[in-house]
Amino acid sequence: GEDVEQSLFLSVREGDSSVINCTYTDSSSTYLYWYKQEPGAGLQLLTYIFSNMDMKQDQRLTVLLNKKDKHLSLRIADTQTGDSAIYFCAESGNRDDKIIFGKGTRLHILP
Amino acid sequence: DTGVSQDPRHKITKRGQNVTFRCDPISEHNRLYWYRQTLGQGPEFLTYFQNEAQLEKSRLLSDRFSAERPKGSFSTLEIQRTEQGDSAMYLCASSTRFGGIRNTIYFGEGSWLTVV
Repeated sequence: GEDVEQSLFLSVREGDSSVINCTYTDSSSTYLYWYKQEPGAGLQLLTYIFSNMDMKQDQRLTVLLNKKDKHLSLRIADTQTGDSAIYFCAESGNRDDKIIFGKGTRLHILP
Repeated sequence: DTGVSQDPRHKITKRGQNVTFRCDPISEHNRLYWYRQTLGQGPEFLTYFQNEAQLEKSRLLSDRFSAERPKGSFSTLEIQRTEQGDSAMYLCASSTRFGGIRNTIYFGEGSWLTVV
């Protein structure tokens, strides 16, 4: 079945770049997402990429997709304390728009 | 456009009681989704609607759970005879899909359920 895997924790010094990695199993995935969740809050869509793209950049965020390896990454440049949150990788196909989420990566910012 | 709205935001209930959550999607959005998120986990799909039709239900949605979207606008998720394992955040999301074109899925802030 569909599965999305990501590491659970990442610690980064303020000002450095954060790279959060994700792998997925469904080769028919057409949309891949990164969501951010702050404590006690809902999900904020950060960015998404179509499966026919390799890269997408949006201000401090860069998404890289390796479709052959089914590997997705999110790079946050110049990480700030406000970036501290849980980041969810997710995918959906063109079949039903149902989004499958990973367990989330908790990003901790070191001073 | 006020985004996806969920009510109540927090609910504490005794085991065995029934609870109902409401979701108001973004206006004009014809697709509506329910997810459940427990501590330390990612959101898990429960069910979704296209207009008023419920198109898919997850195996997570036991017979104590029922979701409706009677007029194709707001939706309710009812949990009967709540159990402690039902404690979670219930997330609603909405999107548009017409023909082959779909737009981004937007999530609400979630409804926290604590069963004591």
